[in-house]
Amino acid sequence: DIQMTQSPSSVSASVGDRVTITCRASQRISTWLAWYQQKPGKAPKLLIYSASGLQSGVPSRFSGSGSGTDFTLTISSLQPEDFATYYCQYTNNFPYTFGQGTKLEI
Amino acid sequence: EVQLVESGGGLVQPGGSLRLSCAVSGFTFSSYSMNWVRQAPGKGLEWVSYISASGSPIHYADSVKGRFTISRDSAKNSLYLQMNSLRDEDTAVYYCARGAYCSNGVCPLSSFDSWGQGTLVTVSS
Repeated sequence: DIQMTQSPSSVSASVGDRVTITCRASQRISTWLAWYQQKPGKAPKLLIYSASGLQSGVPSRFSGSGSGTDFTLTISSLQPEDFATYYCQYTNNFPYTFGQGTKLEI
Repeated sequence: EVQLVESGGGLVQPGGSLRLSCAVSGFTFSSYSMNWVRQAPGKGLEWVSYISASGSPIHYADSVKGRFTISRDSAKNSLYLQMNSLRDEDTAVYYCARGAYCSNGVCPLSSFDSWGQGTLVTVSS
């Protein structure tokens, strides 16, 4: 099975900051990667598909990049509503594996 | 508007059974693959099971294989998860999530673009 490892596990930042979260796959996965945002008590929300595709309705301050084993999610200018936990997910075979999550804190 | 609404969660003793349902609306249910994902209290996301638009193929995480059964009923626009031989470690919020649009019997694997609000399953004596 492919393992997904996110770093850091948590990060503190301020409104207006640029933040980057990293996800590393244990094997090459091309661009078969998605990013989700989850707020406390809520369901996850799809932000990025196929490593860099912006899901409809997601603000353009969110961007994804990478291929092979190393991927990044970047938030260009943090807004108050962006403080949440972010997960990456491998999307091209079973089991669909999630990273352990990165908590973005104020 | 796409909507997914889970139900059926609750408190069950170890070794017991529970059936979760996910009622969907706002899209052509029979054209999409579907998934169940769970989240233990304070933990991360764990994919549980997949079912294609036609009902086959089906896949399970190793942690639930042989104990859980996924199914769907297009006439009722509903997805199900039958959970048997429940263990303490199955305690979690269970989400249904929409997968890819399937065409001509082909369901590409994909990210999950719509999720329900989740239903809590607690396994405890």
